[in-house]
Amino acid sequence: DTAVSQTPKYLVTQMGNDKSIKCEQNLGHDTMYWYKQDSKKFLKIMFSYNNKELIINETVPNRFSPKSPDKAHLNLHINSLELGDSAVYFCASSQGVLPGADTQYFGPGTRLTVL
Amino acid sequence: AQKVTQAQTEISVVEKEDVTLDCVYETRDTTYYLFWYKQPPSGELVFLIRRNSFDEQNEISGRYSWNFQKSTSSFNFTITASQVVDSAVYFCALSENSNSGYALNFGKGTSLLVTP
Repeated sequence: DTAVSQTPKYLVTQMGNDKSIKCEQNLGHDTMYWYKQDSKKFLKIMFSYNNKELIINETVPNRFSPKSPDKAHLNLHINSLELGDSAVYFCASSQGVLPGADTQYFGPGTRLTVL
Repeated sequence: AQKVTQAQTEISVVEKEDVTLDCVYETRDTTYYLFWYKQPPSGELVFLIRRNSFDEQNEISGRYSWNFQKSTSSFNFTITASQVVDSAVYFCALSENSNSGYALNFGKGTSLLVTP
């Protein structure tokens, strides 16, 4: 019973393609996030959603578009993939009751490789 | 500006040694939260601890202990009697009350290698 799950785990694709990564949490949390981990292991927030509403949109190219169909799901769609998009993408969730206070639980990550 | 600094990029110890991972943070908020996460070679991010800014008590969990000192803005992590399974990248992170987006600011991580 994985708390935060992501699919796929690995994604290899060509430059210029469009791809999606799916995330689901079964913790009943209100807030979900996408983080990007680069080749140097640095983790940086991309987006966060609270109750299906976007609350963070960091400086991310608009080729990246998150979509939250319901509280339990936050998908990430990437258009026109570029070499620099190669990274590990982590989804996370937290209760969302107290700003900044809640522990974030992470999915297993999706390793995206753009050729 | 980096809000969380983990000055040690890599540490290598021999099994059974004690090791301390340093974390220094920067914030103007009076209410904030500090976290440690472990990322083993398998790649997942495992939550270890959360500490709020009003609770400076040190915490011990088995071989793990954390020393939170507001005076030096530090939240250091010590592993006692290290084991090979402790080999991982460890991240310290900060969440600030003023950040309505709830995002975690991560340090760059410390890669710990424990050899037999």
